[in-house]
Amino acid sequence: LAKTTQPISMDSYEGQEVNITCSHNNIATNDYITWYQQFPSQGPRFIIQGYKTKVTNEVASLFIPADRKSSTLSLPRVSLSDTAVYYCLVGAPFSGGYNKLIFGAGTRLAVHP
Amino acid sequence: GAGVSQSPSNKVTEKGKDVELRCDPISGHTALYWYRQSLGQGLEFLIYFQGNSAPDKSGLPSDRFSAERTGGSVSTLTIQRTQQEDSAVYLCASSLNRDGQPQHFGDGTRLSIL
Repeated sequence: LAKTTQPISMDSYEGQEVNITCSHNNIATNDYITWYQQFPSQGPRFIIQGYKTKVTNEVASLFIPADRKSSTLSLPRVSLSDTAVYYCLVGAPFSGGYNKLIFGAGTRLAVHP
Repeated sequence: GAGVSQSPSNKVTEKGKDVELRCDPISGHTALYWYRQSLGQGLEFLIYFQGNSAPDKSGLPSDRFSAERTGGSVSTLTIQRTQQEDSAVYLCASSLNRDGQPQHFGDGTRLSIL
């Protein structure tokens, strides 16, 4: 299973763009890259997922270089409500014999006024 | 639509007692996962169910932990003879049986062992 490495914590200010990079050097061909957000006392919430290049939705963008050994979650113009823990996951639950995704410790983002 | 539902939301019990935690996945989701999250920590995989296949129990920390899934839907995680180190938030997630389909999580059961 591909292991991920991400910063333990980050600080930002309201209105700024935040980029959180995740390293996954041994990503497999079938693996997807998925990011989750977790607030205190809640379960993780799906943010965005990609396989290669760039993916954008209403809340974030995900940049994946050609070698797929890393990925960057970009949050535009963060607000105080974006303060949360962000998890990067890599895996292909239903192919290659892998049947679970591994959550690391995540990145604790603090947005300041 | 309805998301993953877990009950109870909080459970306080005495050391040595048995507890049962329930998870109602999203309708139509054949994959179901249980995780454990200690305070301030990441998620620890416990067990995975996929359709009628034998569950992947590789994450269960001891034989005091067990889980079942009835009719391919509702799942129950049972902890026997609870110990204080079992105190944590127990999270359940479900997903469709296809790569690229994200897991959808409930808000967990906060278990406190006195």
